[in-house]
Amino acid sequence: QVQLVESGGGVVQPGRSLRLSCAASGFPFGTYGMHWVRQAPGKGLEWVAVIWYDGSDKYYADSVKGRFTISRDNSKNTLYLQMNSLRAEDTAIYYCARCTHAWELRFDYWGLGTQVTVSS
Amino acid sequence: QSALTQPPSASGSPGQSVTISCTGTSSDVGGYNYVSWYQQHPGKAPKLMIYEVSKRPSGVPDRFSGSKSGNTASLTVTGLQAEDEADYYCSSYAGSNNFGVFGTGTKVTVL
Repeated sequence: QVQLVESGGGVVQPGRSLRLSCAASGFPFGTYGMHWVRQAPGKGLEWVAVIWYDGSDKYYADSVKGRFTISRDNSKNTLYLQMNSLRAEDTAIYYCARCTHAWELRFDYWGLGTQVTVSS
Repeated sequence: QSALTQPPSASGSPGQSVTISCTGTSSDVGGYNYVSWYQQHPGKAPKLMIYEVSKRPSGVPDRFSGSKSGNTASLTVTGLQAEDEADYYCSSYAGSNNFGVFGTGTKVTVL
């Protein structure tokens, strides 16, 4: 069955970096677009970033552009999110989600999320 | 990248219907037929309920339906059941400049 498992979250000081991973299984990972979506405590969903099935194209939300980098390793069935210059407002649960075609925003499977807390 | 506008709350008695609106602009909701709706129960990951404005994934009850008119999309839940009580979010493709945007979210209460 399709599984997406995020890891790498934790507590980090402002200005520091963190790398999230999303391990995929149960489907042909290299044929799907992949997204990161986050949810701050008690708040709504926020789209963060997308990467094409082959890594050829990437897009970011304005709130993370220049600080976050999305990447993937199709040989390892793993999606990544490198987060630099972290701010308090980046505190959230980070979900990875798959999408048949990246632009559809049709997230049919989600991971359970990993908590990122940015605090001094 | 402004969030799509949804009413904060909606409610209905069991068996009744509720409709949630999702208002954007011609650059997102009005410009593309890539509007999706998600249901989220407390402490859980979101679940896809509607995609491409009005299509239902396998396993989603036909009590859930979607539509769009101009810059506003809507989700209607008919025959409300207790398990429908949750937060609901819309999302839309917003072109290559902004790419993706979610709605502000609506809490549906079954009275």
